[in-house]
Amino acid sequence: EAQVTQNPRYLITVTGKKLTVTCSQNMNHEYMSWYRQDPGLGLRQIYYSMNVEVTDKGDVPEGYKVSRKEKRNFPLILESPSPNQTSLYFCASSHGTGENTEAFFGQGTRLTVV
Amino acid sequence: AQRVTQPEKLLSVFKGAPVELKCNYSYSGSPELFWYVQYSRQRLQLLLRHISRESIKGFTADLNKGETSFHLKKPFAQEEDSAMYYCALKRYGGSQGNLIFGKGTKLSVKP
Repeated sequence: EAQVTQNPRYLITVTGKKLTVTCSQNMNHEYMSWYRQDPGLGLRQIYYSMNVEVTDKGDVPEGYKVSRKEKRNFPLILESPSPNQTSLYFCASSHGTGENTEAFFGQGTRLTVV
Repeated sequence: AQRVTQPEKLLSVFKGAPVELKCNYSYSGSPELFWYVQYSRQRLQLLLRHISRESIKGFTADLNKGETSFHLKKPFAQEEDSAMYYCALKRYGGSQGNLIFGKGTKLSVKP
């Protein structure tokens, strides 16, 4: 089954404790991205990657890091989480080109930083 | 600047009533626009894209370049249509995955 898998689904952590949210896709997609979803603000892109070893900042990259060492994986790293990073996070993937490509989303990771 | 605006945070209608979720965009050139839907406790999924000119679950959306709009419409709303709806614009030079989203409109269909 074609899918994007995020782990964990729920996470409560303390300020300053490094954490990683994993994202994996099995569709051989070139393009992957991370979004955060906040009430009243919708979805905002954090980082994206156009292929292995190619990443770039989105609209709200501060406080986050990513890596793309393999095509299928695109982890999101919070080196020193702060309460304002409490949010719902989504990973998405798609093919890089083509008219009828579709962005597939993971189920989301609800992060709470206390 | 590339931007997507959804002016309504919440839209509440009765079952069987027509529904229109508004979306306006700012983009120089030929835009590619999409509607994504998020049902309660589920992931976002593509509802439709303007380039396909399709109708999904009774929803349609027409790109109006003159008004820079891409409103989502359905003639008779159903309770199962209750969800969060996001209008999205493909960034210039980006793939389908590189999208700018509006802030979303929550549709509530009452029995």
